[in-house]
Amino acid sequence: DTGVSQNPRHKITKRGQNVTFRCDPISEHNRLYWYRQTLGQGPEFLTYFQNEAQLEKSRLLSDRFSAERPKGSFSTLEIQRTEQGDSAMYLCASSFIGTGPKDTQYFGPGTRLTVL
Amino acid sequence: AQKITQTQPGMFVQEKEAVTLDCTYDTSDPSYGLFWYKQPSSGEMIFLIYQGSYDQQNATEGRYSLNFQKARKSANLVISASQLGDSAMYFCAMRELSRRALTFGSGTRLQVQP
Repeated sequence: DTGVSQNPRHKITKRGQNVTFRCDPISEHNRLYWYRQTLGQGPEFLTYFQNEAQLEKSRLLSDRFSAERPKGSFSTLEIQRTEQGDSAMYLCASSFIGTGPKDTQYFGPGTRLTVL
Repeated sequence: AQKITQTQPGMFVQEKEAVTLDCTYDTSDPSYGLFWYKQPSSGEMIFLIYQGSYDQQNATEGRYSLNFQKARKSANLVISASQLGDSAMYFCAMRELSRRALTFGSGTRLQVQP
């Protein structure tokens, strides 16, 4: 079984540039999540997809951020006009639809973004 | 309001000893799940153990067990027979049934000493 994969693993960019990250979930998982983790903190939820539908977005997801999951498989997260405050680890997770509150989310290795 | 509180920024434990990592939570949702994840220095979040709010028994997974005290709203992780490879950040997280998102605490850095 392959786990969640994310590319690139590291990205260094200059302030004002656009960046795009990709996440490939576990193949049978139909839910996909994006989180952001800054140094010394736990991950914070950004957005979630069920199949291709984006069903929830956090207030953290400003209008410079956009996420897509066009065919219900891989997802991309784009940040436009990056700012130094966007420097963080961006984590993707996936889960399989189940009943009840369990719905365990499995995480990828993350993309570490550094904005200079 | 902070929904998940981990009061121990760092913990030390001797190899082969047991250690308890604290987690308290706050929710008004009667149905919720509590999760513990391990994050080594490589960065990947590794799922360890789950406890549902209606589960009657404390969850166990190998050397990991969860001391769930619902009335006190605590869900402490117990690691038995610590190993050097257990050195990592540990995060407690909660998912309320009404939402899909996980809410994480700030984590505890565990260091296992030989």
